[in-house]
Amino acid sequence: EAGVVQSPRYKIIEKKQPVAFWCNPISGHNTLYWYLQNLGQGPELLIRYENEEAVDDSQLPKDRFSAERLKGVDSTLKIQPAELGDSAVYLCASSLRTGNTDTQYFGPGTRLTVL
Amino acid sequence: AQTVTQSQPEMSVQEAETVTLSCTYDTSESDYYLFWYKQPPSRQMILVIRQEAYKQQNATENRFSVNFQKAAKSFSLKISDSQLGDAAMYFCAYRSAKGSQGNLIFGKGTKLSVKP
Repeated sequence: EAGVVQSPRYKIIEKKQPVAFWCNPISGHNTLYWYLQNLGQGPELLIRYENEEAVDDSQLPKDRFSAERLKGVDSTLKIQPAELGDSAVYLCASSLRTGNTDTQYFGPGTRLTVL
Repeated sequence: AQTVTQSQPEMSVQEAETVTLSCTYDTSESDYYLFWYKQPPSRQMILVIRQEAYKQQNATENRFSVNFQKAAKSFSLKISDSQLGDAAMYFCAYRSAKGSQGNLIFGKGTKLSVKP
C-alpha cells in the first residue's frame, strides 16, 4: 500500500514569491492534515480536512495561507506571499477517522527555504 | 489546552542496550490517545506505538513498549535491544477523544543516538 505522497520534497524561493505544496493521502483515508514543523520543534496543526470540508483551520494564517482539498482526495497548501519566517517543513498526514479516533500517517514533508 | 513535555532533548544508548524516553502531558480530559512517533533524518514521521487512555494495559510493539501512568500523566517509551536504525528524533503526541478535535499535539522531541 502506498503511503502519503508529498511534492516537492524541497523548495527554495525568494521572499514575497508564491509557493504551493501538494499532498496525496493514503487511498481511502477520509481525513487529511497539514502540519508545520519548525526546526527543533514538534509539528503543529495548520488545517484539518474531513473529506472535502475544512473542519479545523483555526491555526492557519489566512492572510497568506490557503488550502484546498478538491473531491476529498488530494490537497494543496499555498503561501502567497512567502515570508522569511515561513521557512520550515510542511507535513501532510492522513487517516481513516472512525468515530472519535484515528491514527495519522505522515508523508515525507516539504522543506521550504525562503531567502 | 493540552500540552506535551519531553524533558530530554537528547539521549544516547549503546547498541543492544535498553533506553527509556520520557513524556509527560497535561490535560483535563479523561479520554484521549497517546502516541510515539519516530522521525529519522529522512523526515518521514513513523508511528511507533499507540495507547488508549481507557486501557490500563501498556501497549507493546516488538522491541517498543510504553509505561503509561494515567494518574501521573506520564507516558514513557522503552526501547529494548537498541539497534542502529533506532537513531532518530522521537516525538510524544496527545490526541483528544472529543469528536470536535482531531489534531495531534506534539512535544518538542528527543534526539536518540545509538552507539555501535
